[in-house]
Amino acid sequence: QKEVEQDPGPLSVPEGAIVSLNCTYSNSAFQYFMWYRQYSRKGPELLMYTYSSGNKEDGRFTAQVDKSSKYISLFIRDSQPSDSATYLCAAYQTGANNLFFGTGTRLTVIP
Amino acid sequence: GAVVSQHPSRVICKSGTSVKIECRSLDFQATTMFWYRQFPKKSLMLMATSNEGSKATYEQGVEKDKFLINHASLTLSTLTVTSAHPEDSSFYICSASSAAEQYFGPGTRLTVT
Repeated sequence: QKEVEQDPGPLSVPEGAIVSLNCTYSNSAFQYFMWYRQYSRKGPELLMYTYSSGNKEDGRFTAQVDKSSKYISLFIRDSQPSDSATYLCAAYQTGANNLFFGTGTRLTVIP
Repeated sequence: GAVVSQHPSRVICKSGTSVKIECRSLDFQATTMFWYRQFPKKSLMLMATSNEGSKATYEQGVEKDKFLINHASLTLSTLTVTSAHPEDSSFYICSASSAAEQYFGPGTRLTVT
């Protein structure tokens, strides 16, 4: 079983839709959870970063972590064509340094 | 956020030659840098972790004699692909660690002909 599982999609939504991206993880020691956005042929860009359970909001983006169910979510409100990218979730634990990535979900927002 | 640069962004080389890729943290000191490889439509695969002033730690299955990593300073790490072959063609991405966050470079597209 992979440490972090993510549905690769692809996912297509109309402009303005609410997007829900999800990951599950298996290691209960993970404490930090990230979402990265990667445009084609570019390096990943850190979008959101949360510690332990709870929600974190930044503009149109909300990251949610439920440690009891080992579930990570990223919500995008009022999605825009410029949000079209691959979104990678990642997790790690203190002292481990290494991030464990999901496979990424390819999102297309259609104008 | 912190900025990590990578150079070159794209390189084409002939089979059998060596290629060096640089990764720099521009506005922070990174005690740890990571090198990843990404195949088309696949997630990032960690190749090695390097700490400044010490030998890199390679992931299982990654040939350390082929992928030479040097972390000479707190802002610079290099990856040298030695005796490159077409199967080494890939997108190589570095990242630098600052506290609990990792910041990625823009990546280097390596094509071996």
